[in-house]
Amino acid sequence: DAGVIQSPRHEVTEMGQEVTLRCKPISGHDYLFWYRQTMMRGLELLIYFNNNVPIDDSGMPEDRFSAKMPNASFSTLKIQPSEPRDSAVYFCASSWGGYGTEAFFGQGTRLTVV
Amino acid sequence: DQQVKQNSPSLSVQEGRISILNCDYTNSMFDYFLWYKKYPAEGPTFLISISSIKDKNEDGRFTVFLNKSAKHLSLHIVPSQPGDSAVYFCAAKGYSSASKIIFGSGTRLSIRP
Repeated sequence: DAGVIQSPRHEVTEMGQEVTLRCKPISGHDYLFWYRQTMMRGLELLIYFNNNVPIDDSGMPEDRFSAKMPNASFSTLKIQPSEPRDSAVYFCASSWGGYGTEAFFGQGTRLTVV
Repeated sequence: DQQVKQNSPSLSVQEGRISILNCDYTNSMFDYFLWYKKYPAEGPTFLISISSIKDKNEDGRFTVFLNKSAKHLSLHIVPSQPGDSAVYFCAAKGYSSASKIIFGSGTRLSIRP
């Protein structure tokens, strides 16, 4: 398996524009996570899905953020409208569920909002 | 409110010596703990884990210690090597919400010659 695949690797956009980040999890994994890495908060959990259903979105910072998982092999994180403070590295990760399992991360999307 | 805390943003250790990275947690429902390693421009990769039924887990040069009463865990790397220079994240998950993994803010480890 190629691992968790994220696209794009880098995104530069202007304030106010819509940004869509994409993720393909590892085949067979039933959990998918979106994290954001910042200097202050480290790896911050935004939302996670189980079997394509959002389980906990309490980490989503504002209504400007939304995430979907239309099927087991694809998820998106959308920011509309984007703001400079959204600039960060966004990671997608997937795992098998249950106790004693670790998550596998993609390479991340570095988002810069100017 | 950070449930997993890594209070040392950075650590510098001489090559060949022991590196000790520390982590504290506040949620007593956490019962499985993980360490991840992250190089620049890459995603975090799993390093080692420990269940709350143990107080030590060892894998080669890496050992994780868990002190449940103090809600504290540590990662020991011995001997430290140049390739160990990276950011290390401590993470925790609880059995009740089995797959929600909460991360700390990370510690940047630098191994000097």
